[in-house]
Amino acid sequence: DAGVIQSPRHEVTEMGQEVTLRCKLISGHNSLFWYRQTMMRGLELLIYFNNNVPIDDSGMPEDRFSAKMPNASFSTLKIQPSEPRDSAVYFCASRRRGMNYGYTFGSGTRLTVV
Amino acid sequence: QKEVEQNSGPLSVPEGAIASLNCTYSDRGSQSFFWYRQYSGKSPELIMSIYSNGDKEDGRFTAQLNKASQYVSLLIRDSQPSDSATYLCAVISDMRFGAGTRLTVKP
Repeated sequence: DAGVIQSPRHEVTEMGQEVTLRCKLISGHNSLFWYRQTMMRGLELLIYFNNNVPIDDSGMPEDRFSAKMPNASFSTLKIQPSEPRDSAVYFCASRRRGMNYGYTFGSGTRLTVV
Repeated sequence: QKEVEQNSGPLSVPEGAIASLNCTYSDRGSQSFFWYRQYSGKSPELIMSIYSNGDKEDGRFTAQLNKASQYVSLLIRDSQPSDSATYLCAVISDMRFGAGTRLTVKP
């Protein structure tokens, strides 16, 4: 089992540029979560999907953020245009449906917007 | 707003001592609780899960759950320097994590 795979691991971009973060789920997992982690705010839930369908995007900070899940194994998180305050580590996590299953996290993408 | 609160720390204990990490949650209907460990620069990894009131032991780790008090804790016995990390409490129904408690185990 390859685990949750995120790319890129690091991204440095200039303010105003578009950023796309990618995530591949573990086979058999049908829920996907995007989190953002900063020192100030900890681990924040941005959006989650069940069976490719977005369920709750109330954590998405603004319209500059969008997420898609075009198939059962892949998701993207896009920021357009990016701003310095978007600098953070973005984690993707997946899990099986059911309350007794925990999250498996990817390695994260460290985003720096200059 | 559903909340998951952890004692803010940082927590420092000597090697071999018991480290106690605490978490409270606001959603009385929550059923599943998880403890994650996050080393600096790494992603969170699952170390314990608990669903029923009482204690659950796994090696040096014990998770405790009290649904009436909406309280879950993690005890680490015989703490080792390798246990130094941030510990995150998660409530599955909320999909939210506590802010984490940074633990340092001093040799």
